[in-house]
Amino acid sequence: QQQVKQSPQSLIVQKGGISIINCAYENTAFDYFPWYQQFPGKGPALLIAIRPDVSEKKEGRFTISFNKSAKQFSLHIMDSQPGDSATYFCAARLDSNYQLIWGAGTKLIIKP
Amino acid sequence: KAGVTQTPRYLIKTRGQQVTLSCSPISGHRSVSWYQQTPGQGLQFLFEYFSETQRNKGNFPGRFSGRQFSNSRSEMNVSTLELGDSALYLCASSPPETFYYEQYFGPGTRLTVT
Repeated sequence: QQQVKQSPQSLIVQKGGISIINCAYENTAFDYFPWYQQFPGKGPALLIAIRPDVSEKKEGRFTISFNKSAKQFSLHIMDSQPGDSATYFCAARLDSNYQLIWGAGTKLIIKP
Repeated sequence: KAGVTQTPRYLIKTRGQQVTLSCSPISGHRSVSWYQQTPGQGLQFLFEYFSETQRNKGNFPGRFSGRQFSNSRSEMNVSTLELGDSALYLCASSPPETFYYEQYFGPGTRLTVT
């Protein structure tokens, strides 16, 4: 199965709170798990990425947690700010042909 | 370096017509991918070209086609347009050093089919 299931579809978080977006996969032939951020009127932009041999990666307020045995990975946004309001996509790269398989996206709204 | 550019930015076509969209990748990027984005379906992968060859293809009908030129610029064509083809079409290019998981997206072409 070449699917990546992303949840929730939408999320509202208060300013200063923690935003958590989850993704799950079944195919073990994925070898890279990037997260993309998309603002209205713009194309998605790479936010942070992780390899399956790493359990956590942190860049500023953004952290990816990876659970290889559960085939799940999640994005945590600490101290969420109104400027973080965007649509977030998780993805997974197939190791056979480098194709990215995308989650359906999560629309995140940070309330001031 | 200049970013990924797409032309035109907006397009209105009539059902049954055909359309060609253009994408210029970042200099040095040889991989170009195309996506269709709609509010209900998210990002749907169309195809990817690498060194003028289609390397990957999504689940779209044959009305959707593409090509890549020797300078890595790419075009996608949609023939016999349907109302459901109305969407934002995004092009992305990738550098080889990240093994293509890092994609740089253009601003997209907004296609409206009436």
